[in-house]
Amino acid sequence: SAVISQKPSRDICQRGTSLTIQCQVDSQVTMMFWYRQQPGQSLTLIATANQGSEATYESGFVIDKFPISRPNLTFSTLTVSNMSPEDSSIYLCSVERQGIEKLFFGSGTQLSVL
Amino acid sequence: EDQVTQSPEALRLQEGESSSLNCSYTVSGLRGLFWYRQDPGKGPEFLFTLYSAGEEKEKERLKATLTKKESFLHITAPKPEDSATYLCAVRASGGSYIPTFGRGTSLIVHP
Repeated sequence: SAVISQKPSRDICQRGTSLTIQCQVDSQVTMMFWYRQQPGQSLTLIATANQGSEATYESGFVIDKFPISRPNLTFSTLTVSNMSPEDSSIYLCSVERQGIEKLFFGSGTQLSVL
Repeated sequence: EDQVTQSPEALRLQEGESSSLNCSYTVSGLRGLFWYRQDPGKGPEFLFTLYSAGEEKEKERLKATLTKKESFLHITAPKPEDSATYLCAVRASGGSYIPTFGRGTSLIVHP
C-alpha cells in the first residue's frame, strides 16, 4: 500500500484567486496523477505529474489553469488558477507503484469557489 | 473509446438484503478491471482487480466477478458499514495506460 497525505482537505476560495494542493507520498513512486471528481461524475484525469519534466495534460486541461510541480519522487503540487465557481470539485492525488497495477488515492481536497 | 457504465446509480438495501452492482464496459482489449470503494470525504480505496472472464475475487461480504462485457460486485448480507460509493474502472491492454472510471454506485444499507 501507499500512504498519501494531501493538503488541504477542504477550502473555500474567492473567484479569481488560486489554490495550491499538496500531495506527499511515504515512499518513492514513479507515477503520480491528479484527478478531478465532480458531483455525480466519474473521476476525470487532469494530468500525469512527471518528475523532472513538464506534466502531461489530458484533453480539456491546460497548464496555465492547472500548473503542476513534481520536484521529486515523493511530492507533487497542483494549483487551480484564477478560480471560478465551475472549479468547485474534489481534487484527488493518486499514485501507482511500479509493477502494481492499482491506484492509491489521497483523501482528496474539497474545493468550493464562491 | 473506452467506456464504463455502472448501474444502478444508487441502491438502498436493508441490512442482510443481498444484491449486486453492475459494471458494463467497452474496451479494445482488457488489461484489468478494478473495483474501488469510496467513503464520503475520502479518496477511493482499492478492492479488487480482475483480469480475465470467469475470474472471481472475494473479500468479506464482497465478491467480484467478470465476463467479457461486464463485472458484478455481489454484496452478501450487507451491513450498514458497507454503505459507500463503489467505483469501477477499466484499463485497456493497448494504447493509454490511464484507467477509465465509471460514475459509481452509491450504496446505502439501512440497519
